[in-house]
Amino acid sequence: EAGVAQSPRYKIIEKRQSVAFWCNPISGHATLYWYQQILGQGPKLLIQFQNNGVVDDSQLPKDRFSAERLKGVDSTLKIQPAKLEDSAVYLCASSSTAIWTQYFGPGTRLLVL
Amino acid sequence: QQQVKQSPQSLIVQKGGISIINCAYENTAFDYFPWYQQFPGKGPALLIAIRPDVSEKKEGRFTISFNKSAKQFSLHIMDSQPGDSATYFCAATYNDYKLSFGAGTTVTVRA
Repeated sequence: EAGVAQSPRYKIIEKRQSVAFWCNPISGHATLYWYQQILGQGPKLLIQFQNNGVVDDSQLPKDRFSAERLKGVDSTLKIQPAKLEDSAVYLCASSSTAIWTQYFGPGTRLLVL
Repeated sequence: QQQVKQSPQSLIVQKGGISIINCAYENTAFDYFPWYQQFPGKGPALLIAIRPDVSEKKEGRFTISFNKSAKQFSLHIMDSQPGDSATYFCAATYNDYKLSFGAGTTVTVRA
């Protein structure tokens, strides 16, 4: 079974630029999560999707972050404009409905200069 | 977000020794308590998990001890090996299986 795929793996941008991350969850997993992991900290949930609907985006800085999950499969997370403090690893995870176990992708490491 | 507090921040153990990581929580509505292992450049991977109605769970060299009254749980890594060198996160699930993570413990196993 293929795992959660994410791209790109690394991204370096200047502050105020925009950036987008892509996630392809495990086949058949209805729930998809995006996390932000700042160096030295645990992952922090940004947004949770169930199929193509948002379940929880209370921790998403909506003035600059947006996310979508078209057709209930792939998802993109966008930052526009980026700030220095957005430098982090962005992790995507997926899970099957009614099962709590989340499977994580390798993450996208973002550096904002 | 719901909070889980984890300690120590890092530890060094000799090969064959025991690594112990502790976590504490406040929210009694948490329903599962997993531990994740993360290697550099990789995403977290589920290591072992426990429900709050169980006091101990063992899988191979990894054991979770859970103290519901004290709202604490811990991970013990027995016979630590160099391949166990990684960052370990405790976590708790809430509200439709969302995860709240601790800050992580970097474990270094010296050969």
